Amino acid sequence: SQTIHQWPATLVQPVGSPLSLECTVEGTSNPNLYWYRQAAGRGLQLLFYSVGIGQISSEVPQNLSASRPQDRQFILSSKKLLLSDSGFYLCAWSPDGAEQYFGPGTRLTVT
Amino acid sequence: GQNIDQPTEMTATEGAIVQINCTYQTSGFNGLFWYQQHAGEAPTFLSYNVLDGLEEKGRFSSFLSRSKGYSYLLLKELQMKDSASYLCAVRDSNGGFKTIFGAGTRLFVKA
Repeated sequence: SQTIHQWPATLVQPVGSPLSLECTVEGTSNPNLYWYRQAAGRGLQLLFYSVGIGQISSEVPQNLSASRPQDRQFILSSKKLLLSDSGFYLCAWSPDGAEQYFGPGTRLTVT
Repeated sequence: GQNIDQPTEMTATEGAIVQINCTYQTSGFNGLFWYQQHAGEAPTFLSYNVLDGLEEKGRFSSFLSRSKGYSYLLLKELQMKDSASYLCAVRDSNGGFKTIFGAGTRLFVKA
């Protein structure tokens, strides 16, 4: 069966510090991968998605970036965090771009 | 562009039936999804409709009318554990088959 991992579960970072969130999927190959952010009490905002290694589509211009160095690994990064980057970050995978399966999420607080 | 509307909150009684509506506007409809999200957790996939009609899965059913841009999620025999947010999401074939999420409907089940 397929599983998706995200770490860390929680993170508190000062403004201006770098960020690296990692997501890995097991039990499948060539999945579609997604990064979402959810602000408190809000809906999911799609940040990046990838249909293959090295293929990243950005949805929202901001100080975040994503990379897919391996088939089942998706990394979300920032060089300098802003207060507005606080939120619940969710990685998801999909076998065919239809239904998505989410990781447990990372709760980021920028102070 | 895309737009998804669903009620912000609903309250229902344990054992009852509740219907959560979702209307959407998209130029390249390619499927509608419902997800359940408990507070502080990641969303979990509930249902997928791509053709008109009713899809039943246990206590949960989802309906789609593409001509009306309308869907509903029907929850029967409500249980306290059904208290959660329910997210309506639409897959858009324009721009690379992205999935756009609504803000969610927070359902409170009372005894």
